[in-house]
Amino acid sequence: QQQVKQSPQSLIVQKGGISIINCAYENTAFDYFPWYQQFPGKGPALLIAIRPDVSEKKEGRFTISFNKSAKQFSLHIMDSQPGDSATYFCAASKYGGSQGNLIFGKGTKLSVKP
Amino acid sequence: GAGVSQSPRYKVAKRGQDVALRCDPISGHVSLFWYQQALGQGPEFLTYFQNEAQLDKSGLPSDRFFAERPEGSVSTLKIQRTQQEDSAVYLCASSPTGDGSQPQHFGDGTRLSIL
Repeated sequence: QQQVKQSPQSLIVQKGGISIINCAYENTAFDYFPWYQQFPGKGPALLIAIRPDVSEKKEGRFTISFNKSAKQFSLHIMDSQPGDSATYFCAASKYGGSQGNLIFGKGTKLSVKP
Repeated sequence: GAGVSQSPRYKVAKRGQDVALRCDPISGHVSLFWYQQALGQGPEFLTYFQNEAQLDKSGLPSDRFFAERPEGSVSTLKIQRTQQEDSAVYLCASSPTGDGSQPQHFGDGTRLSIL
């Protein structure tokens, strides 16, 4: 059973537009939700993360919206740029404790057209 | 070094051979994770170390997979009698603490191809 479901699988956006990627999770024990950006041939790089005690977190052009009751969270990229073209992964884990291994979604390939 | 370093970057092996993949975490990082990323998929957890102790190996797909971190720093992931389904990118990540409260920093991975 896939614990973190991500959509869409791919996304094409015009330069300057808003990119929106959605994720839903199953396990209510998850309490840490990061988004990672991955370029071809590179490892995932942390973009922004949220904990469920807030409903929104913004860092520059990147915003996470979190809906605890619906068990959903989303990434919004404002003023999308061609340099944002990459694969984006949502993830979830249990914050604290002795583990913290991340459960990833399957990824969204974003293409920003100039 | 400034980041997580993995070697080799690429490894080609024939089916049935043993391979060893190395991870140098960020200096001083307590936690070390191994993930497997199949083509077009998200990374999947393999195993977790806190210092030299392997606290979770629940993600290792078979007993052909073995990981160690004997001195609490460098880690090696070994795959014995490789199979074609082992072809993937193997990612290592480290984190400064052992309580899951800090972000994981990933290396660029080792791309393993089994012929």
